[in-house]
Parts: sequence; C-alpha cells; structure tokens
Amino acid sequence: GAVVSQHPSWVICKSGTSVKIECRSLDFQATTMFWYRQFPKQSLMLMATSNEGSKATYEQGVEKDKFLINHASLTLSTLTVTSAHPEDSSFYICSASFQGTAYEQYFGPGTRLTVT
Amino acid sequence: AQTVTQSQPEMSVQEAETVTLSCTYDTSESNYYLFWYKQPPSRQMILVIRQEAYKQQNATENRFSVNFQKAAKSFSLKISDSQLGDTAMYFCAWGTNAGKSTFGDGTTLTVKP
Repeated sequence: GAVVSQHPSWVICKSGTSVKIECRSLDFQATTMFWYRQFPKQSLMLMATSNEGSKATYEQGVEKDKFLINHASLTLSTLTVTSAHPEDSSFYICSASFQGTAYEQYFGPGTRLTVT
Repeated sequence: AQTVTQSQPEMSVQEAETVTLSCTYDTSESNYYLFWYKQPPSRQMILVIRQEAYKQQNATENRFSVNFQKAAKSFSLKISDSQLGDTAMYFCAWGTNAGKSTFGDGTTLTVKP
C-alpha cells in the first residue's frame, strides 16, 4: 500500500519550453503533497507543499512563477517548470502524506529533467 | 533553526559487519517523529525505520535499529549483518503532523564484499 508514481521518469526538453511532471497517489488519498529537488549526492531540497484544493506554499528562494504546482485532486499533483533553462536540470521527487500515517511521507520514484 | 545534522558524509563497512550512522537534530516541536530513509542508486526513497519521539523504547526493524537519545537530540541508526544491498545514501529526518519533514545532508554507505 501507499504507492506514489511519477510521470515521466526522465524528460529532455529544449531551453525555453515548459515541462509538466505528474505525481499520483495510487492507493490512497493524499491530503498533502511535497515537491523536492535533488542534485547528485546531495540532500532533498523542499520546493513547495501543496494541499488539495488550495494554493501551494513555496519555500523561500523558490520562484513561484517558474515552478507552478497544482494539486487539483486528492490523488494528483503536478509540477510545471516554465521556460526551462539548463540550470533547471535536476532530479525532482514528489511525496505524499495523509492523516493517520504517523507523519510519514511516501515518495515517488523521481523524475530526471534535462534541459538542453 | 530546526535542523538535522549527519556528521559522516561517507562510511564503509565490510559485509556481515555492523555499522552505525550518526544523526543529531534540533527542533522546538513537542510532538514529532524521526525517520531514517535509504536512497539506493535507483534514487527511490525508502523508509528504513521510524521512531515516535514520545516513546522511550528504541525502534527496531529486522537488522536495523536506532539509538534514540531525546535529551541529547540524537538519533543514530545501527545496521547489523550488513549486506551488499544496504549500499545507499541514508538520510535522517524529523517530521511534524503537517507531514513536512526536515532532512539531513545524508551519509553515503558502501558495503564491501
């Protein structure tokens, strides 16, 4: 139980284009979803927290207009990287939690974004 | 600041031996949980073990156990009978009832045959 999927697993896009990453909770309703960015051999950097039906809360230093997060349902959250640039290339991970999980997050497998 | 510190960036252990990964944290929360996550080369984050802060008894999960010292805000992970599949990056974290977690910088563990 408590499986989170991400799509795509790897995406290559050209500089200036936008790319959308989907995060789905497959067997539970996620009241909260989180988006992280991770550089090689580094820790997870929290980008934003989203609750279903409300605006995402972004961490300090994260550009809201560049990283658009939508949590339209209890099973789906999306991260759209707008006008992507090579410096946006990274590994993006989503996680989800729900009430009663003892504060635990369930992680998706991650999406590798390469901007050329 | 509410932080998590893992003082060992890299560690190695021989197969079948025991290794301990260190973690200290700082939080002003009264109710929280502590976690150890494993991130193998596949980069899928996997929960290894969880400890409720209000419980004094140390959590164990098969070959994995923790030494939780609440007053010292220390939460170390012991891996017994290390296996090659334990090779991964290990992250210590604490979490609140909002689900948000704070992660340490990680310890890269290599198990040698």
